[in-house]
Amino acid sequence: QKEVEQDPGPLSVPEGAIVSLNCTYSNSAFQYFMWYRQYSRKGPELLMYTYSSGNKEDGRFTAQVDKSSKYISLFIRDSQPSDSATYLCAMSYNFNKFYFGSGTKLNVKP
Amino acid sequence: NAGVTQTPKFQVLKTGQSMTLQCAQDMNHEYMSWYRQDPGMGLRLIHYSVGAGITDQGEVPNGYNVSRSTTEDFPLRLLSAAPSQTSVYFCASTPSGDLNYGYTFGSGTRLTVV
Repeated sequence: QKEVEQDPGPLSVPEGAIVSLNCTYSNSAFQYFMWYRQYSRKGPELLMYTYSSGNKEDGRFTAQVDKSSKYISLFIRDSQPSDSATYLCAMSYNFNKFYFGSGTKLNVKP
Repeated sequence: NAGVTQTPKFQVLKTGQSMTLQCAQDMNHEYMSWYRQDPGMGLRLIHYSVGAGITDQGEVPNGYNVSRSTTEDFPLRLLSAAPSQTSVYFCASTPSGDLNYGYTFGSGTRLTVV
């Protein structure tokens, strides 16, 4: 069983839609949670991070962590065509070794 | 500020050849890591380092060696290339334990082993 599971998509939505991206994990010791965005043929770039449980909001992006369910989410409000990319979740228990999901490909149609 | 620089960007190797993928960062980050990215597999950690002179294995270390003689550089060596090592390789760095930064990734090295 993989440490982190993520639906690969692709997920196609119209411009302006609310997007929900999710990951589940098996290791209850994970306490650092991050979301990265990766454009085609580029390296991942950090979008959001959270420590332990709870919500965090940054502009159009909201990250949620539910440690009791071992489930994390990223919500994108008012999605734009420029949000079209692959979104990767990542998590760790000690900040040395991060485990990544396989990524969800998002396509926002104008 | 160059960030994380990886060279080469593309490489084709024959089975059995060896090579070194270079990674350099100019941000004085303590932590550096090497990942490989394969379709459907996401990013998998090969080796990582928490400071000069300190390295450790990740999820998929077999067939790869690393060393960290300086804070800036973290080269990845393929000892005897195999077709299974065809992948995109990313180097990443972060300040030690600073969650505010996350990892900064290089632009990747696309390696094909024939």
